[in-house]
Amino acid sequence: DIQLTQSPSFLSASVGDRVTIACRASQDITTYLAWYQQKPGKAPKLLIYGASNLDGGVPLRFSGSGSGTKFTLTISSLQPEDFATYYCQHIHGFPPFTFGPGTKVDV
Amino acid sequence: DVQLVDSGGDRVQPGGSLRLSCAASGFLFSAYSMSWVREVPGRGLQWLASITGDGDTKKYADSVRGRFIISRDNAKESLHLHMDRLREDDTAVYYCARVPMYWEGLFDVWGQGTLVSVSP
Repeated sequence: DIQLTQSPSFLSASVGDRVTIACRASQDITTYLAWYQQKPGKAPKLLIYGASNLDGGVPLRFSGSGSGTKFTLTISSLQPEDFATYYCQHIHGFPPFTFGPGTKVDV
Repeated sequence: DVQLVDSGGDRVQPGGSLRLSCAASGFLFSAYSMSWVREVPGRGLQWLASITGDGDTKKYADSVRGRFIISRDNAKESLHLHMDRLREDDTAVYYCARVPMYWEGLFDVWGQGTLVSVSP
């Protein structure tokens, strides 16, 4: 099974900061990676798929990059509504479609 | 609007059974594969099972294979998860999710979640 790790697990940031979250896969998954945002008590929300494609309605301050085993989610200028937990996920090929352990972005 | 509404969560004793449901609206339900994902307290998200739009192909995570069954009723636009032999480590919030076309494990629309608590 493909394993995903994320770093950092916790990130302290302020409004206006540039934030970068890393995700590493245990084997080559080309660009079969997604990023989700989850707020407490809410369902996850899809942000990015195919490593770099923004889902509809997602603000342009979010971007994704990477391929193979190394991926990055960047928020160019953190907004108050961006404080949340972010998960990467392997999205195609053979299941299980594993999620990373999450990165909490907080004040 | 595209919407998924989860229901059926409850408190159940270890070894018990439960059936979760997900009502879909706002899109052509039969055209989409669907999945169940759970959020385990302190442990993050876990994909559990997927079913194709016609219901013919089902896939399961190892942790639930043989205990959980995913099914769907396209006429009623509903998705189900029948859970048997529940264990305390099945305690979680369970979400149904839509799988967009051409992506097998991507989830673009989620239900609001339903809480399953397994305890003596």
